[in-house]
Amino acid sequence: QKEVEQNSGPLSVPEGAIASLNCTYSDRGSQSFFWYRQYSGKSPELIMFIYSNGDKEDGRFTAQLNKASQYVSLLIRDSQPSDSATYLCAVATDSWGKFQFGAGTQVVVTP
Amino acid sequence: DGGITQSPKYLFRKEGQNVTLSCEQNLNHDAMYWYRQDPGQGLRLIYYSQIVNDFQKGDIAEGYSVSREKKESFPLTVTSAQKNPTAFYLCASSFESPNEQFFGPGTRLTVL
Repeated sequence: QKEVEQNSGPLSVPEGAIASLNCTYSDRGSQSFFWYRQYSGKSPELIMFIYSNGDKEDGRFTAQLNKASQYVSLLIRDSQPSDSATYLCAVATDSWGKFQFGAGTQVVVTP
Repeated sequence: DGGITQSPKYLFRKEGQNVTLSCEQNLNHDAMYWYRQDPGQGLRLIYYSQIVNDFQKGDIAEGYSVSREKKESFPLTVTSAQKNPTAFYLCASSFESPNEQFFGPGTRLTVL
Protein backbone atom coordinates (compact mmCIF):
# COMPACT_ATOMS: atom_id res chain seq x y z
CA GLN A 1 0.00 0.00 0.00
CA LYS A 2 1.49 3.30 -1.09
CA GLU A 3 1.29 5.79 1.76
CA VAL A 4 1.93 9.43 2.36
CA GLU A 5 2.16 10.40 6.02
CA GLN A 6 1.84 13.79 7.64
CA ASN A 7 1.43 14.95 11.23
CA SER A 8 -2.18 16.04 11.60
CA GLY A 9 -1.37 18.91 13.95
CA PRO A 10 -2.56 21.44 14.76
CA LEU A 11 0.81 23.11 14.45
CA SER A 12 0.67 26.36 16.36
CA VAL A 13 3.10 29.01 15.09
CA PRO A 14 3.56 32.58 16.38
CA GLU A 15 3.14 35.28 13.79
CA GLY A 16 6.47 36.04 12.13
CA ALA A 17 8.00 32.66 13.01
CA ILE A 18 8.92 29.76 10.72
CA ALA A 19 6.44 26.91 10.27
CA SER A 20 8.02 23.56 9.42
CA LEU A 21 5.87 20.81 7.91
CA ASN A 22 7.03 17.30 7.15
CA CYS A 23 5.79 14.55 4.87
CA THR A 24 7.11 11.01 4.41
CA TYR A 25 6.24 8.63 1.61
CA SER A 26 6.64 4.91 1.16
CA ASP A 27 7.04 4.43 -2.61
CA ARG A 28 10.68 4.80 -3.63
CA GLY A 29 9.56 5.19 -7.25
CA SER A 30 7.90 8.53 -6.50
CA GLN A 31 8.96 11.18 -8.97
CA SER A 32 7.26 14.45 -8.16
CA PHE A 33 6.12 16.10 -4.97
CA PHE A 34 3.58 18.82 -4.29
CA TRP A 35 2.35 21.00 -1.47
CA TYR A 36 -1.22 22.30 -1.45
CA ARG A 37 -2.87 24.75 0.91
CA GLN A 38 -6.52 24.20 1.77
CA TYR A 39 -8.61 26.71 3.67
CA SER A 40 -11.59 25.35 5.57
CA GLY A 41 -14.45 24.56 3.19
CA LYS A 42 -12.40 25.40 0.10
CA SER A 43 -10.56 23.39 -2.53
CA PRO A 44 -6.78 22.80 -2.43
CA GLU A 45 -4.51 25.43 -3.94
CA LEU A 46 -1.07 24.51 -5.30
CA ILE A 47 1.79 26.21 -3.42
CA MET A 48 4.94 24.41 -4.49
CA PHE A 49 6.19 21.47 -6.46
CA ILE A 50 9.62 19.88 -6.39
CA TYR A 51 11.15 17.13 -8.50
CA SER A 52 14.84 17.05 -7.54
CA ASN A 53 16.68 16.57 -4.28
CA GLY A 54 17.50 19.78 -2.45
CA ASP A 55 15.70 23.02 -1.76
CA LYS A 56 13.35 25.07 -3.87
CA GLU A 57 12.32 28.54 -2.77
CA ASP A 58 9.31 30.60 -3.83
CA GLY A 59 8.71 33.75 -1.84
CA ARG A 60 8.17 32.85 1.81
CA PHE A 61 7.90 29.13 0.99
CA THR A 62 10.74 26.61 0.71
CA ALA A 63 10.24 22.99 -0.26
CA GLN A 64 12.93 20.48 0.64
CA LEU A 65 13.23 17.00 -0.87
CA ASN A 66 15.36 14.09 0.27
CA LYS A 67 14.63 11.03 -1.85
CA ALA A 68 17.10 8.81 0.00
CA SER A 69 15.24 9.40 3.26
CA GLN A 70 11.87 9.56 1.50
CA TYR A 71 10.71 12.81 2.96
CA VAL A 72 9.65 16.19 1.69
CA SER A 73 9.19 19.26 3.84
CA LEU A 74 7.72 22.72 3.56
CA LEU A 75 8.99 25.77 5.40
CA ILE A 76 6.87 28.89 5.72
CA ARG A 77 8.93 31.89 6.75
CA ASP A 78 7.50 35.00 8.41
CA SER A 79 4.22 33.19 9.06
CA GLN A 80 1.09 35.32 8.75
CA PRO A 81 -2.44 34.72 10.08
CA SER A 82 -3.50 34.18 6.46
CA ASP A 83 -1.23 31.10 6.40
CA SER A 84 -3.61 29.39 8.84
CA ALA A 85 -4.89 26.45 6.80
CA THR A 86 -4.41 22.74 6.23
CA TYR A 87 -1.38 21.85 4.13
CA LEU A 88 -1.60 18.73 1.99
CA CYS A 89 1.40 16.80 0.73
CA ALA A 90 0.93 14.95 -2.57
CA VAL A 91 3.26 12.47 -4.23
CA ALA A 92 3.13 11.26 -7.84
CA THR A 93 4.67 7.99 -8.92
CA ASP A 94 4.02 8.13 -12.65
CA SER A 95 4.33 10.76 -15.35
CA TRP A 96 0.57 11.21 -15.63
CA GLY A 97 0.43 12.57 -12.12
CA LYS A 98 -1.70 10.00 -10.35
CA PHE A 99 -1.29 11.46 -6.87
CA GLN A 100 -1.30 10.00 -3.39
CA PHE A 101 -2.31 12.60 -0.80
CA GLY A 102 -1.47 12.81 2.86
CA ALA A 103 -4.23 13.64 5.33
CA GLY A 104 -2.82 17.13 5.84
CA THR A 105 -1.28 19.21 8.63
CA GLN A 106 -3.36 21.97 10.16
CA VAL A 107 -1.36 25.14 10.77
CA VAL A 108 -2.60 27.85 13.11
CA VAL A 109 -0.70 31.14 13.11
CA THR A 110 -1.30 33.07 16.32
CA PRO A 111 -0.96 36.88 16.43
CA ASP B 1 -10.55 33.42 -17.48
CA GLY B 2 -9.02 29.99 -17.60
CA GLY B 3 -10.02 27.58 -14.92
CA ILE B 4 -12.00 24.64 -13.68
CA THR B 5 -15.66 24.92 -12.83
CA GLN B 6 -17.77 22.51 -10.84
CA SER B 7 -21.51 22.55 -10.38
CA PRO B 8 -23.54 22.56 -8.34
CA LYS B 9 -21.72 23.91 -5.28
CA TYR B 10 -24.11 22.09 -2.94
CA LEU B 11 -26.17 19.02 -3.77
CA PHE B 12 -28.67 17.09 -1.74
CA ARG B 13 -29.60 13.55 -2.65
CA LYS B 14 -32.28 11.24 -1.38
CA GLU B 15 -31.52 7.63 -0.67
CA GLY B 16 -31.65 5.54 -3.86
CA GLN B 17 -31.10 8.43 -6.26
CA ASN B 18 -28.33 8.82 -8.81
CA VAL B 19 -26.82 12.28 -9.08
CA THR B 20 -24.35 13.75 -11.56
CA LEU B 21 -21.66 16.27 -10.68
CA SER B 22 -20.36 18.50 -13.42
CA CYS B 23 -16.70 19.38 -14.06
CA GLU B 24 -15.54 21.58 -16.93
CA GLN B 25 -12.08 23.00 -17.69
CA ASN B 26 -10.85 25.45 -20.31
CA LEU B 27 -7.15 25.03 -19.56
CA ASN B 28 -6.62 22.62 -22.46
CA HIS B 29 -5.45 20.04 -19.93
CA ASP B 30 -5.19 16.45 -21.09
CA ALA B 31 -5.92 14.69 -17.81
CA MET B 32 -8.83 15.06 -15.43
CA TYR B 33 -9.42 13.57 -12.01
CA TRP B 34 -12.17 13.10 -9.45
CA TYR B 35 -11.39 12.97 -5.74
CA ARG B 36 -13.45 12.55 -2.64
CA GLN B 37 -12.58 14.23 0.67
CA ASP B 38 -14.10 13.27 4.00
CA PRO B 39 -13.71 15.42 7.14
CA GLY B 40 -10.18 15.30 8.53
CA GLN B 41 -8.94 13.09 5.72
CA GLY B 42 -6.88 13.53 2.63
CA LEU B 43 -8.10 13.23 -0.91
CA ARG B 44 -8.93 9.82 -2.33
CA LEU B 45 -8.93 9.22 -6.07
CA ILE B 46 -12.20 7.99 -7.57
CA TYR B 47 -11.55 8.02 -11.33
CA TYR B 48 -9.12 9.63 -13.72
CA SER B 49 -8.91 10.15 -17.44
CA GLN B 50 -5.82 10.83 -19.51
CA ILE B 51 -7.48 11.21 -22.92
CA VAL B 52 -10.95 11.53 -24.39
CA ASN B 53 -13.06 8.37 -24.36
CA ASP B 54 -10.73 6.65 -21.90
CA PHE B 55 -10.71 6.56 -18.10
CA GLN B 56 -9.38 4.39 -15.28
CA LYS B 57 -10.60 3.48 -11.82
CA GLY B 58 -8.89 5.05 -8.87
CA ASP B 59 -8.73 3.73 -5.34
CA ILE B 60 -12.43 4.05 -4.48
CA ALA B 61 -14.38 3.68 -7.76
CA GLU B 62 -17.16 1.44 -6.47
CA GLY B 63 -20.55 3.17 -6.67
CA TYR B 64 -19.32 5.84 -9.08
CA SER B 65 -19.25 6.21 -12.87
CA VAL B 66 -17.70 8.73 -15.26
CA SER B 67 -17.55 9.63 -18.92
CA ARG B 68 -15.04 11.63 -21.00
CA GLU B 69 -16.73 12.46 -24.28
CA LYS B 70 -15.04 15.85 -24.58
CA LYS B 71 -11.60 17.03 -23.52
CA GLU B 72 -13.16 19.83 -21.49
CA SER B 73 -15.70 17.79 -19.55
CA PHE B 74 -15.50 14.94 -17.02
CA PRO B 75 -18.85 14.41 -15.24
CA LEU B 76 -19.11 12.11 -12.23
CA THR B 77 -22.25 10.14 -11.42
CA VAL B 78 -22.77 9.02 -7.85
CA THR B 79 -25.01 5.99 -8.05
CA SER B 80 -27.33 4.48 -5.48
CA ALA B 81 -24.76 1.72 -5.06
CA GLN B 82 -22.45 4.14 -3.24
CA LYS B 83 -23.35 3.45 0.39
CA ASN B 84 -21.85 6.52 2.01
CA PRO B 85 -21.79 9.29 -0.58
CA THR B 86 -21.88 12.31 1.74
CA ALA B 87 -18.55 14.06 1.11
CA PHE B 88 -16.75 16.94 -0.58
CA TYR B 89 -16.07 16.08 -4.24
CA LEU B 90 -13.17 17.71 -6.02
CA CYS B 91 -12.34 17.72 -9.72
CA ALA B 92 -8.81 18.43 -10.91
CA SER B 93 -6.97 18.63 -14.21
CA SER B 94 -3.39 18.67 -15.46
CA PHE B 95 -1.14 18.38 -18.46
CA GLU B 96 0.82 15.17 -18.84
CA SER B 97 3.95 17.17 -18.18
CA PRO B 98 4.29 19.23 -16.14
CA ASN B 99 1.78 17.29 -14.12
CA GLU B 100 0.72 19.72 -11.44
CA GLN B 101 -2.97 19.26 -10.72
CA PHE B 102 -5.27 22.23 -10.37
CA PHE B 103 -8.57 21.93 -8.56
CA GLY B 104 -12.06 23.20 -9.12
CA PRO B 105 -14.04 24.74 -6.24
CA GLY B 106 -15.71 21.46 -5.29
CA THR B 107 -19.22 20.11 -4.82
CA ARG B 108 -20.49 19.26 -1.36
CA LEU B 109 -22.90 16.32 -1.57
CA THR B 110 -25.23 15.46 1.28
CA VAL B 111 -27.51 12.44 1.42
CA LEU B 112 -30.78 13.12 3.18
